[in-house]
Amino acid sequence: AQRVTQPEKLLSVFKGAPVELKCNYSYSGSPELFWYVQYSRQRLQLLLRHISRESIKGFTADLNKGETSFHLKKPFAQEEDSAMYYCALWAQKLVFGQGTRLTINP
Amino acid sequence: DVKVTQSSRYLVKRTGEKVFLECVQDMDHENMFWYRQDPGLGLRLIYFSYDVKMKEKGDIPEGYSVSREKKERFSLILESASTNQTSMYLCASSLGDRGPYEQYFGPGTRLTVT
Repeated sequence: AQRVTQPEKLLSVFKGAPVELKCNYSYSGSPELFWYVQYSRQRLQLLLRHISRESIKGFTADLNKGETSFHLKKPFAQEEDSAMYYCALWAQKLVFGQGTRLTINP
Repeated sequence: DVKVTQSSRYLVKRTGEKVFLECVQDMDHENMFWYRQDPGLGLRLIYFSYDVKMKEKGDIPEGYSVSREKKERFSLILESASTNQTSMYLCASSLGDRGPYEQYFGPGTRLTVT
């Protein structure tokens, strides 16, 4: 069965430090993966999708089929990156992970 | 700019009441979705619809039903609200063809059942 796992519920880093939010998936087909973000008092929105291979707000994510991972990375965290992040897998519908709350400390 | 609106931001209902949550999108999207968002559990799909008058069960449909009489409107119905349905409810819409398109979310309705 399809599943998305985000092992960290909470992640706290200092401003300027690198950030990595982990995401692992389980899916027998060809995966289509996304990261969604929810800033405080804002609606959930798409951050990036692996197929577009874009860098959004300095974030990148590489699909590693061997490790079944799609970790989200940013080399230098900023305070405005504090938010809830969800990894999601398309498997005829979107399957979301449990979410990671990222806090950037000044 | 896609706009997805939900009828209420906050709602308080009593156990056993029938509850209607309304969602409207203005971008002519074929697909609409209802999720509930709970801490530590992420987003879980309740129901979705690929077209008017169509509905499909998601992962947690028990205790819920939906209605889609018009393309732009997707309603979630709690037939008899229970305390374990206290949650944040998110509506979303996307383009059709059942493809992996970006989903656009509403602001959410925080429902408390007492």
